Amino acid sequence: DQQVKQNSPSLSVQEGRISILNCDYTNSMFDYFLWYKKYPAEGPTFLISISSIKDKNEDGRFTVFLNKSAKHLSLHIVPSQPGDSAVYFCAASRSGGADGLTFGKGTHLIIQP
Amino acid sequence: EAGVTQSPTHLIKTRGQQATLRCSPISGHTSVYWYQQALGLGLQFLLWYDEGEERNRGNFPPRFSGRQFPNYSSELNVNALELEDSALYLCASSLDTRGTGELFFGEGSRLTVL
Repeated sequence: DQQVKQNSPSLSVQEGRISILNCDYTNSMFDYFLWYKKYPAEGPTFLISISSIKDKNEDGRFTVFLNKSAKHLSLHIVPSQPGDSAVYFCAASRSGGADGLTFGKGTHLIIQP
Repeated sequence: EAGVTQSPTHLIKTRGQQATLRCSPISGHTSVYWYQQALGLGLQFLLWYDEGEERNRGNFPPRFSGRQFPNYSSELNVNALELEDSALYLCASSLDTRGTGELFFGEGSRLTVL
């Protein structure tokens, strides 16, 4: 029973274009969402987060959108750069929860030159 | 400032043996989490330690265990190794003791069970 789903195992985008990574969740108790980026042979690194009281959070080239009614969030990267090629994990948590973060399976983003 | 450090980087064991993985959190962080990333799967929550106590464990059998030491470093033990235990084991630390905040990950320990 996957509570956080990333349905696209991989995504290929041309350099300079927008990359859109999607994530769906099923647990309505989740109220905090994060995106992590992972390069091969390295641990995941935090990218950006959003609280359920917001519907958008922006940090430079990265913007996360949250649609609570659809239980859907997305990460937009614009413009996409070669260094953005990595696996991106969506994660969710709930206030007062003791489950840590619940992660999706990840989406491998490939930026084509 | 040093990040989360894990050792060993790689470990090869045979079925039935025991594996011990170690983790040092970021200085000042009291919470340590362990995750398993098996091939084709996302990060699966294993264990959460805070202030020396186990706060929660994921859906893993009891042969996965661990502890947290007074200096907040942590150890993950896997007994009676099975082939499907082959995975990348990631340790993360956090300042947030509610279990909801940002986690800082180490580079992981790759366990191979033959």
